[in-house]
Amino acid sequence: EAEVAQSPRYKITEKSQAVAFWCDPISGHATLYWYRQILGQGPELLVQFQDESVVDDSQLPKDRFSAERLKGVDSTLKIQPAELGDSAMYLCASSLGGQPGQPQHFGDGTRLSIL
Amino acid sequence: ELKVEQNPLFLSMQEGKNYTIYCNYSTTSDRLYWYRQDPGKSLESLFVLLSNGAVKQEGRLMASLDTKARLSTLHITAAVHDLSATYFCAARSNDYKLSFGAGTTVTVRA
Repeated sequence: EAEVAQSPRYKITEKSQAVAFWCDPISGHATLYWYRQILGQGPELLVQFQDESVVDDSQLPKDRFSAERLKGVDSTLKIQPAELGDSAMYLCASSLGGQPGQPQHFGDGTRLSIL
Repeated sequence: ELKVEQNPLFLSMQEGKNYTIYCNYSTTSDRLYWYRQDPGKSLESLFVLLSNGAVKQEGRLMASLDTKARLSTLHITAAVHDLSATYFCAARSNDYKLSFGAGTTVTVRA
C-alpha cells in the first residue's frame, strides 16, 4: 500500500458540482505535487508545493481548480464547478526535496468520474 | 517545454525473451526516472538516473541514460508474467518539473 494517503479512492459526481480531494504526504516530505492522469496518458503536473507555498501552478486551470496546503503537511485539491473533461485520475505525490535523485512517491490516486 | 516520448506504446512480450523500451526527451534534463504502474494502482519508483552513462539494474530490469543523445532505455531480460504493467519514464527540467511520457503498456504472454 502506498505511503502517500489519498481520499477518496473513487468519486462520481455530476457536472457543475464541487468536488474535493485530500492528500497526506509521507511524513517529513516538504514537497507535495498534484497530478492529473487521463486514461492512457502520463501524469501531468497541476500544482507543486514547497512546504505551504505554491512553487508552480502554471498548469492549474485556476478558473475552476484550487489547491491549498495550509500547514505545510496535508493538502486539498478542489474543483468547482466540475466539467465532463475533468474525468481522470488525480494523483498526489511527495518527495523530500533538496536532495539529488530523490524520487517522487505517489499515492493510490482518486479516480474522478463526471456524469 | 520539455517533451518526453516513449516507444513503443504497447509491447507484447513472450516469456523468456528480451525487450527494450525507449525514452527520448527534447531538451536538457538532469534527472531521468522510471516508474511502473499496475492497473488502478499508484506509480512505483523503479530507477533514478542522475548522470550520463548511468546504469541501474534491479532483477530483470536495467535502465540506462545517455544525456548526449537525450535517450534512456529500459531493458527487460527474460520477461516473466509479473512484469506486465505500464512503464513510464519522466525527465526533470531545469525548473524541477517532471514531464512524463505517455507510458508503455507491457503484456507478457506464455
